[in-house]
Amino acid sequence: QKEVEQDPGPLSVPEGAIVSLNCTYSNSAFQYFMWYRQYSRKGPELLMYTYSSGNKEDGRFTAQVDKSSKYISLFIRDSQPSDSATYLCAMSLYNFNKFYFGSGTKLNVKP
Amino acid sequence: DADVTQTPRNRITKTGKRIMLECSQTKGHDRMYWYRQDPGLGLRLIYYSFDVKDINKGEISDGYSVSRQAQAKFSLSLESAIPNQTALYFCATSDFRRGTDTQYFGPGTRLTVL
Repeated sequence: QKEVEQDPGPLSVPEGAIVSLNCTYSNSAFQYFMWYRQYSRKGPELLMYTYSSGNKEDGRFTAQVDKSSKYISLFIRDSQPSDSATYLCAMSLYNFNKFYFGSGTKLNVKP
Repeated sequence: DADVTQTPRNRITKTGKRIMLECSQTKGHDRMYWYRQDPGLGLRLIYYSFDVKDINKGEISDGYSVSRQAQAKFSLSLESAIPNQTALYFCATSDFRRGTDTQYFGPGTRLTVL
């Protein structure tokens, strides 16, 4: 079983839609949860970062962590064509020795 | 200028050749990582280094070696390239000394082994 599972998509939505991206994980010791955005032919860039359970909001983006269910989500409000990219979730233990990545969900926002 | 740079950006080589991918960073971070990315498999860790004298294997280190020449430089070598090492390779850095840790990625090297 992989440490982190993520639906690869692709997910296609119309402009303005609310997008929900999700990951599940198996290691209850994960403490830090991250979302990266990767445009085609580019390196991943950090989008959101949360510690432990709860929500974190940054503009149109909301990251949600439910440690009891081992489930994290990224919500994108008022999605834009420029949000079209692959979104990777990542997590690490308290000591940040290693990062564990999901395989990424490809999102396409249609104008 | 980019904080994390990788050279070359693209490379085509033949089976059996020795290849070196280089990574440099100007962020002053202590930790550096090498990943490969394959469709459907996501990012997989090859090697990571917490400082110049601390190098560790990741989940897929077989067929690869690394060298941390300085805090800012971390190179990945394929001693004898094989076709299933065709992938997108990313270098990343992080700074644990600040108490939190996120990774910053380079632009990637697309390697094709024929």
